Amino acid sequence: QKEVEQNSGPLSVPEGAIASLNCTYSDRGSQSFFWYRQYSGKSPELIMSIYSNGDKEDGRFTAQLNKASQYVSLLIRDSQPSDSATYLCPTGTASKLTFGTGTRLQVTL
Amino acid sequence: EADIYQTPRYLVIGTGKKITLECSQTMGHDKMYWYQQDPGMELHLIHYSYGVNSTEKGDLSSESTVSRIRTEHFPLTLESARPSHTSQYLCASAPPGNYGYTFGSGTRLTVV
Repeated sequence: QKEVEQNSGPLSVPEGAIASLNCTYSDRGSQSFFWYRQYSGKSPELIMSIYSNGDKEDGRFTAQLNKASQYVSLLIRDSQPSDSATYLCPTGTASKLTFGTGTRLQVTL
Repeated sequence: EADIYQTPRYLVIGTGKKITLECSQTMGHDKMYWYQQDPGMELHLIHYSYGVNSTEKGDLSSESTVSRIRTEHFPLTLESARPSHTSQYLCASAPPGNYGYTFGSGTRLTVV
């Protein structure tokens, strides 16, 4: 079983809709949960971090963490074409993060 | 503006050559990492460091080596490049504690 599992997509949503991205992880000892955005040919960019159960909102982005169920999700409200990218949800400890393959999001006009 | 710098951005080199990929950060971060990523694939950790004179191998078997003589500098060396080393190499750093990584722009290496 992979440490981090995501649907590779592509997830296609129309402009203005809510995009929902999900991630499950296997290591119950994971302490760090992040969402990164990676545009094609570019390096990953940190967009959200969440450490405790519940929701965390930052602008159009909301991260949700459920440690009991071992999943973390990202909601993007009012999706824009510029949100089209691959979204990564690495988990791990303060010392080392494990990345999955990511979910490719396409926002269509 | 990037606070972590990788050079070169692109490199095409012949088989058997020795190469060093440079990574420097100006944030004073103790933790630094090298990841390898093929197009459309996941990031694989190849080396990491928790501070000066600390280096560890990552999850991906690699024929590369690293050094950490100064906090800000974490170079990656391939003693003998092979076509299988063709990939993108990403350097990242993080401060002490439970914080996310900041990535450099990457080096895209092609071995011919």
